[in-house]
Amino acid sequence: DVKVTQSSRYLVKRTGEKVFLECVQDMDHENMFWYRQDPGLGLRLIYFSYDVKMKEKGDIPEGYSVSREKKERFSLILESASTNQTSMYLCASSTQTGGNQPQHFGDGTRLSIL
Amino acid sequence: KQEVTQIPAALSVPEGENLVLNCSFTDSAIYNLQWFRQDPGKGLTSLLLIQSSQREQTSGRLNASLDKSSGRSTLYIAASQPGDSATYLCAAETSGSRLTFGEGTQLTVNP
Repeated sequence: DVKVTQSSRYLVKRTGEKVFLECVQDMDHENMFWYRQDPGLGLRLIYFSYDVKMKEKGDIPEGYSVSREKKERFSLILESASTNQTSMYLCASSTQTGGNQPQHFGDGTRLSIL
Repeated sequence: KQEVTQIPAALSVPEGENLVLNCSFTDSAIYNLQWFRQDPGKGLTSLLLIQSSQREQTSGRLNASLDKSSGRSTLYIAASQPGDSATYLCAAETSGSRLTFGEGTQLTVNP
């Protein structure tokens, strides 16, 4: 089974802090994704990556950056955390097979910015 | 820009009932349509994936259909059980492996 592991289930940080969310997958997937999920807004794509050192902006990249130094690890960085970044963050991975394989998700990190 | 809508937003049914969840999308140029289940406070679990060339997929009591020309997909759950209670999300995959999600249908199956 594909395993996508997010480093923290719950995280509380203060406004202005630099926050790192880590995600690791064990299936050698090329694609990795970061979403945030908010009531009434659904899941929105923040950033994604097709390969090591590569990154692409999603729909809401402002205030975030990412790092992919190794194929199995994709990190989301909140440069200077703000209260409007309080949310559920979900990481996912998938293989590049022309659309016949689903994305696999981690259990999520519920981040609170005080 | 792809938009995905799910109706209804919430559904409550008695145990044993067959039910249908609806998903519509605005751009028919999709690679596939994916259905996920999400339990409270958890991540998403993949249920079914229908490729753009397919009409339906089945897994156990679940059957998903796809009509690309009308921009619709349905998820049929047979003989519902309390353990089926969860939020069900559909997502359309477009170029670059990107998924656009609907807001989900929150299903409650009452014993």
